[in-house]
Amino acid sequence: EVQLVESGGVLVQPGGSLRLSCAASGFSFDNYWMSWVRQAPGKGLEGVATIKPDATEKYHLDSVKGRFTVSRDNAKNSLYLQINSLRAEDTAVYYCARVGYSNTYFDYWGQGTLVTVSS
Amino acid sequence: QLVLTQSPSASASLGASVKVTCTLSSGHSTYAIAWHQQLPEKGPRYLMKVNNDGSHTKGDGIPDRFSGSSSGAERYLTISSLQSEDEADYYCQTWGTGIQIFGTGTKVTVL
Repeated sequence: EVQLVESGGVLVQPGGSLRLSCAASGFSFDNYWMSWVRQAPGKGLEGVATIKPDATEKYHLDSVKGRFTVSRDNAKNSLYLQINSLRAEDTAVYYCARVGYSNTYFDYWGQGTLVTVSS
Repeated sequence: QLVLTQSPSASASLGASVKVTCTLSSGHSTYAIAWHQQLPEKGPRYLMKVNNDGSHTKGDGIPDRFSGSSSGAERYLTISSLQSEDEADYYCQTWGTGIQIFGTGTKVTVL
């Protein structure tokens, strides 16, 4: 059974930093693209970052470039999102998602972790 | 620019059918899309991928009453024999080079 479990979401002050983690199990993690998707309160889904199985390609949403960095550790079956210089508009539930084939559609999702940016 | 357009809402009576539409932007009418369901206060769930020719590939355990189709730049999700537990937000999603793109979502209400 495919499982994706996010962690690391907290209440943080504007300008702060944090790292989100996603623990994957039930599939060959090093064969799949992986992504982070966020959802602000009452809003829709927004792709934030995606990374190739060997980490040689990474893509980030334009509005987070330079502040967010996606990474992975295939030995630990884990996906990460480093978030710096947090802003109020980064407040959202952050989901880890497996990409079903190459860099295409999401076929499995985690339950999400809440990041709240507030003073 | 690759954009997906969805109507904000759709509704149908219990036991009836509802069709949710996702429209691809000009120049992208051959793209495949995926549909995702998000129940209230829950994470999204993959429903199916819909290709340009209307063929679709469902996710694990998705009931037969969920189906996909295509016409031109439009991609459809049809829910037949609508159940109360189908009341949710439905998002279409596609991809190019880079970050995946989502539609704005359609809230389906069961009357």
